[in-house]
Amino acid sequence: EPEVTQTPSHQVTQMGQEVILRCVPISNHLYFYWYRQILGQKVEFLVSFYNNEISEKSEIFDDQFSVERPDGSNFTLKIRSTKLEDSAMYFCASGQTIYGYTFGSGTRLTVV
Amino acid sequence: GNSVTQMEGPVTLSEEAFLTINCTYTATGYPSLFWYVQYPGEGLQLLLKATKADDKGSNKGFEATYRKETTSFHLEKGSVQVSDSAVYFCALSDITDKLIFGTGTRLQVFP
Repeated sequence: EPEVTQTPSHQVTQMGQEVILRCVPISNHLYFYWYRQILGQKVEFLVSFYNNEISEKSEIFDDQFSVERPDGSNFTLKIRSTKLEDSAMYFCASGQTIYGYTFGSGTRLTVV
Repeated sequence: GNSVTQMEGPVTLSEEAFLTINCTYTATGYPSLFWYVQYPGEGLQLLLKATKADDKGSNKGFEATYRKETTSFHLEKGSVQVSDSAVYFCALSDITDKLIFGTGTRLQVFP
């Protein structure tokens, strides 16, 4: 069964550093998403991406965040200057909502 | 705005017990409704979905019926197994194609 692959599975970074979270969506999917889950809290939408541009973003997705599809297969989330409150599990997903899209297994980001 | 409310956990059951996890929603329009499951150390997996009123989603013995009149989408299973232990998330999609999740309900099944 096709999978969404995320790397790394766990990343520890110092506050103020830049991080890039990587995702390989399912190959024939056209819609891509990032969500995050702060420990013990609900899963929150960050951004959706279609046709090489952001189609929607949440209030969380401020100027510190950016997304890119650099080479037609990878889909990356960059956090420019990490804060302690960015510590969370970040999930990539691809597909269309009406069909129930496929999530990756997540990257646990720990900011120290 | 749109929102999803789930019963708080953990829900603790013995193997073969009947499971209900309540989910209600608030939405404008006609959202699609989903249940996702997160096993320990894994990502979110789609368990079942329903796209219109009175639809019943089902998968792996789990069922949920889209009830517009009560704005509910309760998850049920007739006989749970230890392997069903996980966190279950109810979610809806609105017209903007993003998912809005509930807080999740942890299910623990003991032999």
